[in-house]
Amino acid sequence: KAGVTQTPRYLIKTRGQQVTLSCSPISGHRSVSWYQQTPGQGLQFLFEYFSETQRNKGNFPGRFSGRQFSNSRSEMNVSTLELGDSALYLCASSILGTGVNEQFFGPGTRLTVL
Amino acid sequence: AQRVTQPEKLLSVFKGAPVELKCNYSYSGSPELFWYVQYSRQRLQLLLRHISRESIKGFTADLNKGETSFHLKKPFAQEEDSAMYYCALRAGNTPLVFGKGTRLSVIA
Repeated sequence: KAGVTQTPRYLIKTRGQQVTLSCSPISGHRSVSWYQQTPGQGLQFLFEYFSETQRNKGNFPGRFSGRQFSNSRSEMNVSTLELGDSALYLCASSILGTGVNEQFFGPGTRLTVL
Repeated sequence: AQRVTQPEKLLSVFKGAPVELKCNYSYSGSPELFWYVQYSRQRLQLLLRHISRESIKGFTADLNKGETSFHLKKPFAQEEDSAMYYCALRAGNTPLVFGKGTRLSVIA
């Protein structure tokens, strides 16, 4: 089975721009979660989608949003980028959700905001 | 709110020496505890979970509810154990809460 894939792997943006990250889960997995990983804060939960519905949301501003499509692929959008948004964004998929099954992580998208 | 604390950012040990990576949590109920590992240039992956009570790659971890700890241990460190280790907690059906991680460096 192919693992979780994320595109693009690297992104460089400037302050004020917006960005969209994509995540394709493992085939058959219906839950996709997003995390922000930084050296200072470690891994912080952004949100989880299950069957196209947001099921959980972390403590991030409204500039961070996401969605999930009928094929379980998910996108994450960050608007009005700030320098502090520079991070590795990880996507993880599981069969039924973070509270039930093991999560499998993707390689991440490294976002740099200049 | 749940919290996971990993007090050491960096832990350096010599090859063959015992390793203990500390993890403390705050949660009043019965949590599920996990250890995740991220090797260099590899993706984050589950190492072990407390409910399975397994030993993976020689690592074990015991949940101590009295001390609210879930320390990761290995009797003899190997160079290939060098990696970033994250302790994580799940309370009910809520998302995982991660600690900030400990970088383990095993010196030959």
